[in-house]
Amino acid sequence: NAGVTQTPKFQVLKTGQSMTLQCAQDMNHNSMYWYRQDPGMGLRLIYYSASEGTTDKGEVPNGYNVSRLNKREFSLRLESAAPSQTSVYFCASSTDGTAYEQYFGPGTRLTVT
Amino acid sequence: AQSVTQLGSHVSVSEGALVLLRCNYSSSVPPYLFWYVQYPNQGLQLLLKYTTGATLVKGINGFEAEFKKSETSFHLTKPSAHMSDAAEYFCAVSRVSGNTPLVFGKGTRLSVIA
Repeated sequence: NAGVTQTPKFQVLKTGQSMTLQCAQDMNHNSMYWYRQDPGMGLRLIYYSASEGTTDKGEVPNGYNVSRLNKREFSLRLESAAPSQTSVYFCASSTDGTAYEQYFGPGTRLTVT
Repeated sequence: AQSVTQLGSHVSVSEGALVLLRCNYSSSVPPYLFWYVQYPNQGLQLLLKYTTGATLVKGINGFEAEFKKSETSFHLTKPSAHMSDAAEYFCAVSRVSGNTPLVFGKGTRLSVIA
């Protein structure tokens, strides 16, 4: 049982390049999330998917797109990377229910030069 | 709307001393509350959570937190700090119903001095 996996672990992009961050979970969770973590800012929600086939914007969605490919996978795409998107990106998943906790992946450290 | 405030972005304690990390929340409905820990270069992992019932919640690694509705607080404590407790700690809140994401505080970095 791997939990939540993310690829890649590290990535360096040049301004204007595009890339997709991959996330998969094997816990049969309905909900999945993408966060970015910046020093002093905590975790900020980019997008989430409450169930397969649905996605919703979070606090900081500009510059990102997401795809809920199936129940297991939720990808985050940067179409034209900017230095302001340099961050650590975390994917998380959770079950439905009245007291759901989120399970986090190990993160992707992205640098945009 | 819900929000979480963690008082102190950095807390430093001596090994063996009490750890107290403060969290206050704002919520229009009774919330569920969570503490997560993040060790360097890792993802977040759940320390403990409050849903219903007993307001004193025990978690992993000797941590506990008490839900105080009158003070809208959910402070995290540990009687005796260990070097391995050095990490960043996040408080989070969710609504009791509905499928909305957690709202996280900005985090408190705990340093433990030998």
